[in-house]
Amino acid sequence: GQNIDQPTEMTATEGAIVQINCTYQTSGFNGLFWYQQHAGEAPTFLSYNVLDGLEEKGRFSSFLSRSKGYSYLLLKELQMKDSASYLCAVRDTGGFKTIFGAGTRLFVKA
Amino acid sequence: KAGVTQTPRYLIKTRGQQVTLSCSPISGHRSVSWYQQTPGQGLQFLFEYFSETQRNKGNFPGRFSGRQFSNSRSEMNVSTLELGDSALYLCASSSSGGASEQFFGPGTRLTVL
Repeated sequence: GQNIDQPTEMTATEGAIVQINCTYQTSGFNGLFWYQQHAGEAPTFLSYNVLDGLEEKGRFSSFLSRSKGYSYLLLKELQMKDSASYLCAVRDTGGFKTIFGAGTRLFVKA
Repeated sequence: KAGVTQTPRYLIKTRGQQVTLSCSPISGHRSVSWYQQTPGQGLQFLFEYFSETQRNKGNFPGRFSGRQFSNSRSEMNVSTLELGDSALYLCASSSSGGASEQFFGPGTRLTVL
């Protein structure tokens, strides 16, 4: 089957660092995406990993271990505007289908 | 470059009716994917089109159908609406599908009474 697991909710403090984990079991793998979705808005692309390792982009970094079926999104220097849902998604081998996790709601408090 | 547009933004229908939703991808993008988003289920993949061909579909009943036109615009249709079809329907476009990132439209909020 195909399954993507991520925590339902997380809370962190402004200025801190938070790591959102994602584990997946899918029939094929052609890359892992992270999206951010603010309440009432469409998801927006954050990062893409297809090879093992860390991809850094400003305050956001994403890590992938294909052998472990594991990824995490690291958010540094948290800001109030980072309060949103973070969606982990896996693209299948053919590349024509993307499976999304249920998302992690992140609350950033002052 | 204009983003992905979806029409209508909001829709209220009653059980048994049918509905057609429209999506215009970013200019030059040939892949369009449709998703259903509900609070409990997250984003569920409906289908993906590329150059007027459906390349993949999710696990939804046959009441859900779609098509893509030669200009890459796409429509999805839901017939015989059920209460459980109430959801946000999101369309996403990408240049080729595959590993390219998807750009999402604002969605159509469908309420079935």
